[in-house]
Amino acid sequence: DSGVTQTPKHLITATGQRVTLRCSPRSGDLSVYWYQQSLDQGLQFLIHYYNGEERAKGNILERFSAQQFPDLHSELNLSSLELGDSALYFCASSAQGLAYTGELFFGEGSRLTVL
Amino acid sequence: GESVGLHLPTLSVQEGDNSIINCAYSNSASDYFIWYKQESGKGPQFIIDIRSNMDKRQGQRVTVLLNKTVKHLSLQIAATQPGDSAVYFCAENQAGTALIFGKGTTLSVSS
Repeated sequence: DSGVTQTPKHLITATGQRVTLRCSPRSGDLSVYWYQQSLDQGLQFLIHYYNGEERAKGNILERFSAQQFPDLHSELNLSSLELGDSALYFCASSAQGLAYTGELFFGEGSRLTVL
Repeated sequence: GESVGLHLPTLSVQEGDNSIINCAYSNSASDYFIWYKQESGKGPQFIIDIRSNMDKRQGQRVTVLLNKTVKHLSLQIAATQPGDSAVYFCAENQAGTALIFGKGTTLSVSS
């Protein structure tokens, strides 16, 4: 158990809809990262938050947004969903800010299926 | 596009053999290189990391080698066990962004 909690574990929805994925980081971790893993693809970095502030953006679509709340949990919002958005979405947390300080701890992911 | 990638998508070995998983990277400015293991249905799990000013680091049954001249990273697993069957990702830490992952190598261990 990594200590990172993601909900929901599975989500099935239709094209055009909007969903919210939630992540609770390990206790004490200030950084939250979101990654997307599609079939046969590696982990694509989406966005990084540190202590409530956005720190870095990767290949995140404009239809996607995220935020980190004062209690440090984070939400990833996916809107106007397309079939190609079907993927596993991972949240990871760490104690680091911008500098590397060690491993990221990943949750078990939220599997999104868009029909 | 991807700046970190793996040479082979799959690797099959016999139990007890040594496994070598390779990775090529392109960003010379990355300060750390890391290996993660992802078992089926789970999130990636940290294995070992190496700082860019080192060329070798050993852990328990694992060794990571870094060759900056040819921008190559490898993970060696000694005495591979069935429990080592998983997808292995290399990643590089790019300052100012986050860990950038390659596409992964699936290791299959047969007994």
